[in-house]
Amino acid sequence: NAGVTQTPKFRVLKTGQSMTLLCAQDMNHEYMYWYRQDPGMGLRLIHYSVGEGTTAKGEVPDGYNVSRLKKQNFLLGLESAAPSQTSVYFCASSTTGRYTYEQYFGPGTRLTVT
Amino acid sequence: ILNVEQSPQSLHVQEGDSTNFTCSFPSSNFYALHWYRWETAKSPEALFVMTLNGDEKKKGRISATLNTKEGYSYLYIKGSQPEDSATYLCASNSGNTGKLIFGQGTTLQVKP
Repeated sequence: NAGVTQTPKFRVLKTGQSMTLLCAQDMNHEYMYWYRQDPGMGLRLIHYSVGEGTTAKGEVPDGYNVSRLKKQNFLLGLESAAPSQTSVYFCASSTTGRYTYEQYFGPGTRLTVT
Repeated sequence: ILNVEQSPQSLHVQEGDSTNFTCSFPSSNFYALHWYRWETAKSPEALFVMTLNGDEKKKGRISATLNTKEGYSYLYIKGSQPEDSATYLCASNSGNTGKLIFGQGTTLQVKP
């Protein structure tokens, strides 16, 4: 049982390049999330998904797209990377109902845009 | 958009000291309040999820209380140890949406 995994762990991009971050969970969780973590800002929600085939915007969605084609995977895309997207990206998943959306986090992806 | 605030931003204590932090959140449409522990170079891990006004939860030397009417939660650490050094995050659900808003965190440093 690997929990939540993220690929890649590190990446350096040039301004304007595109990339996709992959999140996978093996806990059969309905909900999945993408956060970014910047110094002094805590965790900010980019997009989330309440189930396969559905996505919704979080606090800071601009410049990102997501897809949830399979229940276990949640992809975060940057179409044209900008230096302001330099950050550490965390994926998380959660159950619903009485577990009240307790988050299980992946190990993070450190992205630098030059 | 919810506004979740934590104080203090950082805290330095000596081993053996007891300490506490505050999380404040909008009390309207409250659903659940989460506390996470985040060690350097690791991922956040859940400590507590609380839903009921007056709720108190405990895990070893760490405990938390919840006041949903006035919109605050306290996290207490009794007899701090160096291994308690971490950033402690709180997060609030507004309504049954699964969408959490996190505070900026309180970073605790415990000196031996």
